[in-house]
Amino acid sequence: ETGVTQTPRHLVMGMTNKKSLKCEQHLGHNAMYWYKQSAKKPLELMFVYSLEERVENNSVPSRFSPECPNSSHLFLHLHTLQPEDSALYLCASSQGDSRNEKLFFGSGTQLSVL
Amino acid sequence: DAKTTQPNSMESNEEEPVHLPCNHSTISGTDYIHWYRQLPSQGPEYVIHGLTSNVNNRMASLAIAEDRKSSTLILHRATLRDAAVYYCILRDRTLGSGGSNYKLTFGKGTLLTVNP
Repeated sequence: ETGVTQTPRHLVMGMTNKKSLKCEQHLGHNAMYWYKQSAKKPLELMFVYSLEERVENNSVPSRFSPECPNSSHLFLHLHTLQPEDSALYLCASSQGDSRNEKLFFGSGTQLSVL
Repeated sequence: DAKTTQPNSMESNEEEPVHLPCNHSTISGTDYIHWYRQLPSQGPEYVIHGLTSNVNNRMASLAIAEDRKSSTLILHRATLRDAAVYYCILRDRTLGSGGSNYKLTFGKGTLLTVNP
């Protein structure tokens, strides 16, 4: 148990569906992240939120829309996805301004787009 | 971003030590060296990090070369549960408007297989 919980663990959706991924951290951290891990590819950073403000958007298509309503919750809203968006989506959190900063990851949501 | 180079895969036997190498010849003076590992069907987990001196914790040891252009993660007695992908990462610090945060750029890592 890392203190970062992601739901759902698995999601299958059609290209016309709208769905949301949820992440919750119980660690009191002030930064949250979305990473994408495609098969046989390195983890790719998608978004970074620091103190609920988006500070990084790594050229992610607009069909992915993040939301951070408070420091404990992070969402990734999905709409009109493509089959190549099928991947493991990982959420992470950290405490900024710390020399010992570590990322704590959730177990991820395995997404399949049909 | 400073980059790291790791072997694609390594193999070890259970209860034997494992030395996982990482080259980072373009490391800057303020880059920390982080190691994470990813077990099957899980997100990555932090293992250890260091700046200049060797570091030890309950999971592993980190040996850093004097010129900091390479490092080695040492698992003193490998177990079957240590089979994972191990990532060596140089920490890149970015500054957000509301505070500091650190983004980590993951490479392909080293797939460690542990034989019984």
